[in-house]
Amino acid sequence: GENVEQHPSTLSVQEGDSAVIKCTYSDSASNYFPWYKQELGKGPQLIIDIRSNVGEKKDQRIAVTLNKTAKHFSLHITETQPEDSAVYFCAAKVYSSASKIIFGSGTRLSIRP
Amino acid sequence: EAQVTQNPRYLITVTGKKLTVTCSQNMNHEYMSWYRQDPGLGLRQIYYSMNVEVTDKGDVPEGYKVSRKEKRNFPLILESPSPNQTSLYFCASSLSGSNEKLFFGSGTQLSVL
Repeated sequence: GENVEQHPSTLSVQEGDSAVIKCTYSDSASNYFPWYKQELGKGPQLIIDIRSNVGEKKDQRIAVTLNKTAKHFSLHITETQPEDSAVYFCAAKVYSSASKIIFGSGTRLSIRP
Repeated sequence: EAQVTQNPRYLITVTGKKLTVTCSQNMNHEYMSWYRQDPGLGLRQIYYSMNVEVTDKGDVPEGYKVSRKEKRNFPLILESPSPNQTSLYFCASSLSGSNEKLFFGSGTQLSVL
């Protein structure tokens, strides 16, 4: 069936450095790829999304890249800050009997002071 | 304030005792959905609703029921809870029926003893 694989499961970076989280998807028909951030004790919150007609999208310190040929997409966070510590989920919209969003398994990002 | 409200936040129950987790959104969203979050498995969809009186199964619907009698409410019902339903549950909504740009509630931590 359709799936989304996410790596790494945990990531620790020095404050000010960059962090990269990578995901691959299986459904070649997928055309929408959101990223969610989940802070401790809260629900996931959409931070950025990208559609398959673009290869890259930026929003301040956050950027997402998409390689449709290879079926992978990545989240890049530059100049990391303590408030970036959270669990990040990638997701992909897949099309089977009905469209649905499938989430990756999550990456716990820790920012070291 | 625009939000998705879930209740209760924490619930401890025993096997077989029926329970309901409520979910309400004040954004006039068409689409609502329930997810469960388990370590290493990400977010898995239980049930979703494209509109009032329209519900459908997600990836892990066994042991759960839902109803959508009003646009704003989407309760999750466990008729006979079992220990394997111990999990963190999230309700989510989105403006259209496209299940994109999801807004999540704060979560319900359920323990079934």
